[in-house]
Amino acid sequence: AQKITQTQPGMFVQEKEAVTLDCTYDTSDPSYGLFWYKQPSSGEMIFLIYQGSYDQQNATEGRYSLNFQKARKSANLVISASQLGDSAMYFCALLPPGNQFYFGTGTSLTVIP
Amino acid sequence: DVKVTQSSRYLVKRTGEKVFLECVQDMDHENMFWYRQDPGLGLRLIYFSYDVKMKEKGDIPEGYSVSREKKERFSLILESASTNQTSMYLCASRWWGRDGYTFGSGTRLTVV
Repeated sequence: AQKITQTQPGMFVQEKEAVTLDCTYDTSDPSYGLFWYKQPSSGEMIFLIYQGSYDQQNATEGRYSLNFQKARKSANLVISASQLGDSAMYFCALLPPGNQFYFGTGTSLTVIP
Repeated sequence: DVKVTQSSRYLVKRTGEKVFLECVQDMDHENMFWYRQDPGLGLRLIYFSYDVKMKEKGDIPEGYSVSREKKERFSLILESASTNQTSMYLCASRWWGRDGYTFGSGTRLTVV
């Protein structure tokens, strides 16, 4: 069975500080992908970053990086230098072989001025 | 850029009505999906389709049906809307392989 867990319903961070959003997953498939999406209050889901299970290095996209610890089955999102526009819901998702994504329950991030 | 368009951002319907939620994508993606999103539950898969006229049940198909007569269009149908179907509905599409989803902007449905 596939499972993905986000244990932080809500997080607060000071503007310009870094923040880590936690994500753990469970799959028996050796090949899989891990994704992070951002959902602002407007509702659209925005792709942020992708990590493949065989990727040797942690993924980075601008201010976003993915702290991938395969043995611990964790894929935490790190946002550096937080901005007010980073306030949103953040979803971690697992893509095992096949076609279906599995999403976590999300973390609501609030950036404080 | 791939675009996924959902026909309505906000919808209010009465209990018992038949409701159609439309989703259109413009990049010839094979796969299309319907999710509902509820606070504390994340996104849950209702139905998906990997080809025209093909459909597969997701995790919560009860009370819903779908239609895919053309590759670019995937419709979600609530045969008889109920108040527990009040939710945010998200459509997504993707190519095969390692690509992620491209999502539509969502439809907030309220059933009264």
